[in-house]
Amino acid sequence: GQNIDQPTEMTATEGAIVQINCTYQTSGFNGLFWYQQHAGEAPTFLSYNVLDGLEEKGRFSSFLSRSKGYSYLLLKELQMKDSASYLCAVMDSNYQLIWGAGTKLIIKP
Amino acid sequence: IAGITQAPTSQILAAGRRMTLRCTQDMRHNAMYWYRQDLGLGLRLIHYSNTAGTTGKGEVPDGYSVSRANTDDFPLTLASAVPSQTSVYFCASSTSGRDTQYFGPGTRLTVL
Repeated sequence: GQNIDQPTEMTATEGAIVQINCTYQTSGFNGLFWYQQHAGEAPTFLSYNVLDGLEEKGRFSSFLSRSKGYSYLLLKELQMKDSASYLCAVMDSNYQLIWGAGTKLIIKP
Repeated sequence: IAGITQAPTSQILAAGRRMTLRCTQDMRHNAMYWYRQDLGLGLRLIHYSNTAGTTGKGEVPDGYSVSRANTDDFPLTLASAVPSQTSVYFCASSTSGRDTQYFGPGTRLTVL
């Protein structure tokens, strides 16, 4: 079967750095996506990785290792507004997104 | 309109009633999707459409139907609602069906 695993909840301090991990087992691989979802709102696109390595976009970076079935999202200089759920999703061989349950990130002052 | 809109925002429905959730996008995206999101679970695909006139079943299609008469609209119908269909429903779209998906604001549906 297809499976995406990510931690249920993480806590970090304002101004710090946090890494959210995602491991996956899917039927085929056509890219990995990270989305941010604030409570009561829609998911919004953060990043896309299809090749191994690090993609940097401002305070957010995303890393992919296809051989290990592993990705992480790195958030730097945490702000209170970063409190949200972070969703990892893999596009499988049928170009359908398989979603993890999401990681709820709590930022403390 | 900018992006994807969904209606209604929320709805309370008696079991057994028929309900249509509306989704409209103005980005001329070819592909559209319906997901449901339940606490503790990842988004689950209900139905999708890669282009106007075609539809396909996702992971959890039972009890739901869709149509894609034109590029912009992708309504989701619950023929006879059951309490297990209580969920938040998101519509999404993408340019080609092989790229980033963009989400509407969601519909919160409660079936009693």
